[in-house]
Amino acid sequence: QKEVEQDPGPLSVPEGAIVSLNCTYSNSAFQYFMWYRQYSRKGPELLMYTYSSGNKEDGRFTAQVDKSSKYISLFIRDSQPSDSATYLCAMTGAGSYQLTFGKGTKLSVIP
Amino acid sequence: AAGVIQSPRHLIKEKRETATLKCYPIPRHDTVYWYQQGPGQDPQFLISFYEKMQSDKGSIPDRFSAQQFSDYHSELNMSSLELGDSALYFCASSLATTNTYQETQYFGPGTRLLVL
Repeated sequence: QKEVEQDPGPLSVPEGAIVSLNCTYSNSAFQYFMWYRQYSRKGPELLMYTYSSGNKEDGRFTAQVDKSSKYISLFIRDSQPSDSATYLCAMTGAGSYQLTFGKGTKLSVIP
Repeated sequence: AAGVIQSPRHLIKEKRETATLKCYPIPRHDTVYWYQQGPGQDPQFLISFYEKMQSDKGSIPDRFSAQQFSDYHSELNMSSLELGDSALYFCASSLATTNTYQETQYFGPGTRLLVL
């Protein structure tokens, strides 16, 4: 079993919909959680970074962390066709330099 | 804002050849990370350097080596290339913080390596 599980999708939604992306993890040492967006043939782009349970909002994006359940989520409000990409969750523990990624969820927002 | 620069962007090699990938971190960033992403896969951590010293090591084959230079750029050297080495190689950089162990990593555009 991978340390980080993420449904690869693909996920297809109409423009304007609320998108919910999720990851679960098994390693209790993970303390820092990130969401990256990756367009085809491009490098991952950091979207959100959190280190505590609760919600963090940035524009149309909300990251949610529930450490007790080892579950993280990314919500995208008013989704746009430009949001079409693969979304990767990533996490790491204190004192670690390496990120452990989920497999990524491919999202398509249909105009 | 300046981003992570990687070169070359594309590289074609034959089996058993050698390849060198270069990474130039964001200015003032002192930590560099290398990741390998196979087709349809998530990025896998290879190795990282902080202040020119190896800081962490992941699933990097013995055929690969890397180093960070005095100007903080890094090179990933890959020898005896195999077909399975064909992948996207990403470099990321960060600035070490003093109050937490976690530094936000910013990724470059990647080098696409094809081994024939």
